Amino acid sequence: AQSVTQLDSQVPVFEEAPVELRCNYSSSVSVYLFWYVQYPNQGLQLLLKYLSGSTLVESINGFEAEFNKSQTSFHLRKPSVHISDTAEYFCAVLISNYKLTFGKGTLLTVNP
Amino acid sequence: DTGVSQNPRHKITKRGQNVTFRCDPISEHNRLYWYRQTLGQGPEFLTYFQNEAQLEKSRLLSDRFSAERPKGSFSTLEIQRTEQGDSAMYLCASSLGPGGTDTQYFGPGTRLTVL
Repeated sequence: AQSVTQLDSQVPVFEEAPVELRCNYSSSVSVYLFWYVQYPNQGLQLLLKYLSGSTLVESINGFEAEFNKSQTSFHLRKPSVHISDTAEYFCAVLISNYKLTFGKGTLLTVNP
Repeated sequence: DTGVSQNPRHKITKRGQNVTFRCDPISEHNRLYWYRQTLGQGPEFLTYFQNEAQLEKSRLLSDRFSAERPKGSFSTLEIQRTEQGDSAMYLCASSLGPGGTDTQYFGPGTRLTVL
């Protein structure tokens, strides 16, 4: 069975500091990986996804994630965070071409 | 593009009552999904439709739950005889399809509280 583990439930950082949100997956088949972000009182928004090709994927707001098959990881990074990045971040794997299986989420809190 | 919309946004009901939620997907999206999110957890898959056909149901979807998408556009999720354990955020998503790797776009959710 495929599953996703987000190793940190909460990550507090100061503004302009770098951040890494960790995600590990288990899968025996082809892997499609996603990061979604959920701002307070809003739905989930896709941040970035890995389907194939380059193992480094980027979002429009400065986040990036690297697919590492040997370590079964898909960690999310940003070199310098802003207050507005405060949100909950979910890593997910696509199963059987229709079902997203999510991790439990990581609450990123950016402090001034 | 108005996005995925869900109504109502909040629902408070008493145990044993029936509730119905509505989801309007992005226009022309063929696939529609329902997920449930409880406090401190990521969303969990409940069911999905390809046009009007319901193709998969999770074991989480007990016989008190029923979902429909009668004309391949909007969808409803009904919970009969609600229980306190049904309290959660119910999320709807849609994707263009039929490819499974198309991005799933989520609505804002319906928060259900069962007293």
